[in-house]
Formats: sequence, structure tokens, C-alpha cells
Amino acid sequence: DSGVTQTPKHLITATGQRVTLRCSPRSGDLSVYWYQQSLDQGLQFLIHYYNGEERAKGNILERFSAQQFPDLHSELNLSSLELGDSALYFCASSPTSGAGNGEAFFGQGTRLTVV
Amino acid sequence: GENVEQHPSTLSVQEGDSAVIKCTYSDSASNYFPWYKQELGKGPQLIIDIRSNVGEKKDQRIAVTLNKTAKHFSLHITETQPEDSAVYFCAASQGTSYGKLTFGQGTILTVHP
Repeated sequence: DSGVTQTPKHLITATGQRVTLRCSPRSGDLSVYWYQQSLDQGLQFLIHYYNGEERAKGNILERFSAQQFPDLHSELNLSSLELGDSALYFCASSPTSGAGNGEAFFGQGTRLTVV
Repeated sequence: GENVEQHPSTLSVQEGDSAVIKCTYSDSASNYFPWYKQELGKGPQLIIDIRSNVGEKKDQRIAVTLNKTAKHFSLHITETQPEDSAVYFCAASQGTSYGKLTFGQGTILTVHP
């Protein structure tokens, strides 16, 4: 168990809908990263938050957004869903955005199926 | 941006044999190279990592080597066991955000008893 908690584990929704994925980082970790894993694209970095502030964006669609709250949990919001958004979404956390032991630990993921 | 290539895509070995997975990266600014193991239905699990100021690192049956000049790094697993069967990913990152990773495509390792 990595200590990173993601809910829900599975989500089935229809095209055009909006969903929210939730991530609770390891105790004390300030950084949260979101990743998308699909068969054709592999593991792709989406966005990084550190202590409530956005730090970096990857190939994240404009229909997707994220935030990190004062208690450090994070939410990934996916809207106007398309069939191609079906994927595994992972959250990872690490202790710091600075140098040192900043290894990232991944949660178990949320499997999103858009029908 | 960074690009990480990983080979082979599948690897089949007999229990007790060694397994080697190789990755190359494109951006010389990358300075952190972790390896993750992903089992079915689970998230990636960090198994070993190496920073650019080190050439080799070992942890029991697992070792990673880094050649900065050639921009490639490798994972070595000795005395493989069936429970080593999983998908292995290499990754690279720059600066100090060790969680902002560019991943390779993954290697499906199967260890036959």
C-alpha cells in the first residue's frame, strides 16, 4: 500500500457528462501529480500541484481541470466526456517539489469508462 | 520535450534467469530515472531509482545502471521469480520535481516457473 488513496476505483458514465476523481496524498506529502494511462498513449503526465498551487501542466485537455485543497487532497475534473477519455487515471504524491527524496508514489487508480 | 524509449516490449524468461530492460532518453537535462513495476489492477510501484550523479545502484536482486554520455539506463533483475512477472516502466524527469515523469512504453515481463 503506497499510502495514496484514490476514489472511486471504478466509474462508468455517458458521453457528454462530467466526473470528479479524488486523490488523498500520503500523509505530509505536498505534491500531487495526475496521470492518464491508456493502451495507445501509455502513462501520460497531466498536471502537478504543490501545496495548493499549480506547478506544471502536461498534455492535459482543456476539458480537464484539477485543484488541490488546503487539506492537500486533490480533485481531477473531467467534463464533456468522450469515448476516448476512457482510461485509468492515477494520482501520485511526493514529499516536496524541491530536491531530495522526492520520489513519487502512485495510488491504485480510477478506471473511467465512458459509454 | 523529453522522449523515453523502452525495449523490449515483452520479455519471457525462465525462473532463475536474469532479465534486462533498456531505456534511452532524449533530453540531456534529465537527472532522475526511476523504475516502476505495475501489476494487474494496481498502480505503478517504485522499485528502484537512480540520479544522474550515480552510475549504478543495487537493491538485492535489482540493479540499475546509467550511462549519461549515451543517454541510456537499464534495469537488471537477477534470479528472477514468478512473482517478478509484471509490467515494468522506466521514466525520466528533470529539475527537482521527481513526480513529473516521462514514461517509457513498458515491458511485459513473464517469468516461467
